[in-house]
Amino acid sequence: GAGVSQSPSNKVTEKGKDVELRCDPISGHTALYWYRQSLGQGLEFLIYFQGNSAPDKSGLPSDRFSAERTGGSVSTLTIQRTQQEDSAVYLCASSRGGTATYEQYFGPGTRLTVT
Amino acid sequence: AQSVTQLGSHVSVSEGALVLLRCNYSSSVPPYLFWYVQYPNQGLQLLLKYTTGATLVKGINGFEAEFKKSETSFHLTKPSAHMSDAAEYFCAVSDRGSARQLTFGSGTQLTVLP
Repeated sequence: GAGVSQSPSNKVTEKGKDVELRCDPISGHTALYWYRQSLGQGLEFLIYFQGNSAPDKSGLPSDRFSAERTGGSVSTLTIQRTQQEDSAVYLCASSRGGTATYEQYFGPGTRLTVT
Repeated sequence: AQSVTQLGSHVSVSEGALVLLRCNYSSSVPPYLFWYVQYPNQGLQLLLKYTTGATLVKGINGFEAEFKKSETSFHLTKPSAHMSDAAEYFCAVSDRGSARQLTFGSGTQLTVLP
């Protein structure tokens, strides 16, 4: 079946602009995660959704970052007033959630470059 | 808080040689343990996981890992390296229980020499 998809695959934006990154999880997966991968910080957890709720937002680096999930499916990560330090690859993952299994399946990522 | 340490940011082996990538975790309660592989410009692919039961787990592409509680380790091995194994490998942990975030190590870049 289809895996996790993310769009766009690449995004170049000017400092100060807002960007939206999209994630389509695997059908039937109730848990969805956003991570950030950068040279300086490695792989960092950003936020986790169970259904449409986000019980864990602990990894969001600042109030410029927000995320939502609708219909228990698609999620959007929004970065407002982008800064150069936001340049990274943003990875989305999904899993069945609950206690059935714990594998997270990752999408190919969105490479964000802030100029 | 959990932490994961991967010894060696770069490892080189000859084709056909043993691959050993090291991972140690720090957690008061043994977590769930994972190894992921990342090929250039791709997302992460799960190689194997340990949650409970047999401490030696086998994964895809001939990789295996052994959970050693006394050493808080989960090292990844493969008896014979193949050129296609060249990639970056990440060890990760998560809390036991329901779906939880992954905490990743810093990664090990594996180079396979002909």
